[in-house]
Amino acid sequence: AQSVTQLGSHVSVSEGALVLLRCNYSSSVPPYLFWYVQYPNQGLQLLLKYTSAATLVKGINGFEAEFKKSETSFHLTKPSAHMSDAAEYFCAVTSYSSASKIIFGSGTRLSIRP
Amino acid sequence: ETGVTQSPTHLIKTRGQQVTLRCSSQSGHNTVSWYQQALGQGPQFIFQYYREEENGRGNFPPRFSGLQFPNYSSELNVNALELDDSALYLCASSPQDGDNSPLHFGNGTRLTVT
Repeated sequence: AQSVTQLGSHVSVSEGALVLLRCNYSSSVPPYLFWYVQYPNQGLQLLLKYTSAATLVKGINGFEAEFKKSETSFHLTKPSAHMSDAAEYFCAVTSYSSASKIIFGSGTRLSIRP
Repeated sequence: ETGVTQSPTHLIKTRGQQVTLRCSSQSGHNTVSWYQQALGQGPQFIFQYYREEENGRGNFPPRFSGLQFPNYSSELNVNALELDDSALYLCASSPQDGDNSPLHFGNGTRLTVT
């Protein structure tokens, strides 16, 4: 069985500060890992994905995430937060056998302080 | 390229009624997945359709059923609605099952059961 745990349901940072959203995964097979973002009243948009290539994955809007097998983590970071980054962020896991059956975490709401 | 479209955007039903939600997949995508997102939670996998056949199901009762049509559009049907069925229902398409291409989500249908 696969699962993800997102640590912190709400994270607040100042504009220009580092963004760090934490995700730990559990998987009995090599995982594919994703970060999605959801803006109010919208569907989910892919930020980045890890599929066993480079462990440091760069995504859209300046976000990146590092796959650490020893820590079973896939934390999302951005060096400098922007007001437009305020949204809900979801970590997700699946495997090669069926990449569409994605299992999502419970989400982290990111707020940006002026 | 047309993205994933869902209809209707909002719906209000009464407990015990039946509802049908519709989804048009992105051009070139033959796999459709449905997710239920309750307020404040991550999306939960309902089921997936690949080439008009159900291809995996999450932990949802049989009153949740679906269809996929030859043009790869899809319907989600829910019978005997319960109050807990109130949620955002998300449809996502991808090029094919087993591929590591990410899901492309629609903006969802907000279902309220009273």
